Amino acid sequence: KQEVTQIPAALSVPEGENLVLNCSFTDSAIYNLQWFRQDPGKGLTSLLLIQSSQREQTSGRLNASLDKSSGRSTLYIAASQPGDSATYLCAGTDKLIFGTGTRLQVFP
Amino acid sequence: DGGITQSPKYLFRKEGQNVTLSCEQNLNHDAMYWYRQDPGQGLRLIYYSQIVNDFQKGDIAEGYSVSREKKESFPLTVTSAQKNPTAFYLCASKSSSGSYTDTQYFGPGTRLTVL
Repeated sequence: KQEVTQIPAALSVPEGENLVLNCSFTDSAIYNLQWFRQDPGKGLTSLLLIQSSQREQTSGRLNASLDKSSGRSTLYIAASQPGDSATYLCAGTDKLIFGTGTRLQVFP
Repeated sequence: DGGITQSPKYLFRKEGQNVTLSCEQNLNHDAMYWYRQDPGQGLRLIYYSQIVNDFQKGDIAEGYSVSREKKESFPLTVTSAQKNPTAFYLCASKSSSGSYTDTQYFGPGTRLTVL
């Protein structure tokens, strides 16, 4: 059964720092890996989807990579801003098994 | 505007009552999903449907029921058999459950509280 782990569970950084959020999964037969953002009390917003055949995807200040052989995905946030403060979740496979998330706070 | 709507935003239930959470999408998506989110935990899959009139249990289906009579609607009923229903419920949809390249879209969620 696929299990997804996210490290760290929480992160608090000053504005401007470059950040790395980690996602590990146990089943290397993962088809795709999706990163989401969740603001408090709200639904999830899709940030990036990396297909199994891809190694990375980029959108603005966000870059996500996928390494199936090691069972890892990384979300890189460049030049963090207070508006980036949210919980970031990764999910894999068709039915989307979710990690527990990384709660990010960026302070001015 | 296309999207997913959930209602109500907040719902209060007395012990022993059944309640139904609404989920509607106008994205013409085939697949729809219900998740439950508890504090400190990730999302857990309750039920999903790949096509009208068909649905499958997820990891935590006990105490819940669903129907899929229309493509755009996937209501979730929380029955009295669900012992700890207080949680945040999220509905999602995707173009095709069989496609691994499609992005999943989420509704804004319903927060259910048992009094």
